[in-house]
Parts: sequence; structure tokens; C-alpha cells
Amino acid sequence: DVVMTQSPLSLPVTLGQPASISCRSNQSLIHSYGGTYLNWIQQRPGQSPRRLIYQISNRDSGVPDRFSGSGSGTDFTLKISRVEAEDVAVYYCMQATHWPLTFGQGTKVEIK
Amino acid sequence: EVHLLESGGGLVQPGGSLRLSCAASGFTFSNLPMSWVRQAPGKVPECVSTISKGGDNTDYIDSVKGRFTISRDNSKNTLYLQMNSLRAEDTAVYYCAKGGHLDNWGQGTLVTVSS
Repeated sequence: DVVMTQSPLSLPVTLGQPASISCRSNQSLIHSYGGTYLNWIQQRPGQSPRRLIYQISNRDSGVPDRFSGSGSGTDFTLKISRVEAEDVAVYYCMQATHWPLTFGQGTKVEIK
Repeated sequence: EVHLLESGGGLVQPGGSLRLSCAASGFTFSNLPMSWVRQAPGKVPECVSTISKGGDNTDYIDSVKGRFTISRDNSKNTLYLQMNSLRAEDTAVYYCAKGGHLDNWGQGTLVTVSS
């Protein structure tokens, strides 16, 4: 199985400041079809998970543009340009290139 | 708007069975693969199974192979997960998800396996 490793696992951030989460896979996530199926998932406290970003950098409908994704191959990053209170959540990277789909350990973003 | 509504969870004894359902709306169900994802309390989500749009191809994680069966009824826009020989470690919230890449998730249904 593909192992997804996130850092940091805990991220205290001041409101209005940027935040960055790193995700690394132990295999290339480039699919034979050419796409790279790396998603970012947000799970707010007490809520269902929600996909924020797909294929590295594409925001899902309704996702604020303060969220951005980047990376390639095996190294990826989620950035929040200015953290707001509603961004308190656990963020998971997830790969959908190889079966089984696998998730990172999660990064808990909290307000300082 | 995409809507996924899971049902069928509950408390079951080890070795027992449950059948989960997921009613889908807001998109053309028959055009997309679908998935079941579970999340044990305080744990990372785990994609348990996926099914192709026509239902002829399925995948399972090793820990549920031979015990769980995913299926779908495209005439009813409904996804199913038949779970047999349940174990304590199957205890989790089970989510239905649109697509093979988990585009949208439902609210989940809790499955508790305990004597």
C-alpha cells in the first residue's frame, strides 16, 4: 500500500496568518493515464470529511481561494494564505492513484 | 446539489451481519463509480470498497475481503454494503462517497460491533 506521510501533525496558527502542511508519498502518484490523484480532505470537528482539493491543485466547488495545493510526483503541499476560525479542522492528504486509496495521518490545525 | 444519505448502521454482535444503504441524488448516479469509506473513532479514514458505474468491477481492502460485498442498484440510485462476519475492529462510522476519488461524502452511519 502507498504510505502517505504528513507534517506537522499539529499546527497552531494565529488568525490571519498563513499555514502550510506537507505530504509525502512513498511511491509516485502519477497515474498511467497521466493524472496525479492527490486530494486534500478537511474534517471539521464533529463533521463528515469534505474534499477541498483534487489532482494536486484544483479547488472543489465552494472552497475559498485562500486554500491552495501544489506539488508533484511524491511531494505535495496544502497552504492556507490567511487562517480563519472556520479553518479549524484536521486536514488529510489522500492518494487515489493506487488501490487501496490511502490517507496521511492528518494534521490538526488549531488557533493559537 | 449532491446528496448522499446512509442508513442501516447500528449495534451488532461479533459474527453478525448488517446491510448499509446509501441513497444518492443530485447527480447522474449510473455514470459514476461509488465508494464506501469508514472511520473508526479518532482514526484516519479508510476506503473499504469501490464499485464501477455498472457494478461489474469491485475492489476491497484486504481486511474485509470475503466478508463485505459492495453492490448498487442504478434504477434506485442506491449503493449498498453487505457486511458479514463482523468483528470489533469493524466498528466505525461508514460513509458513502461519490466517485472513485471521494468527490463528496455523506453524513455517515455508525456501526458498532460489540457483545
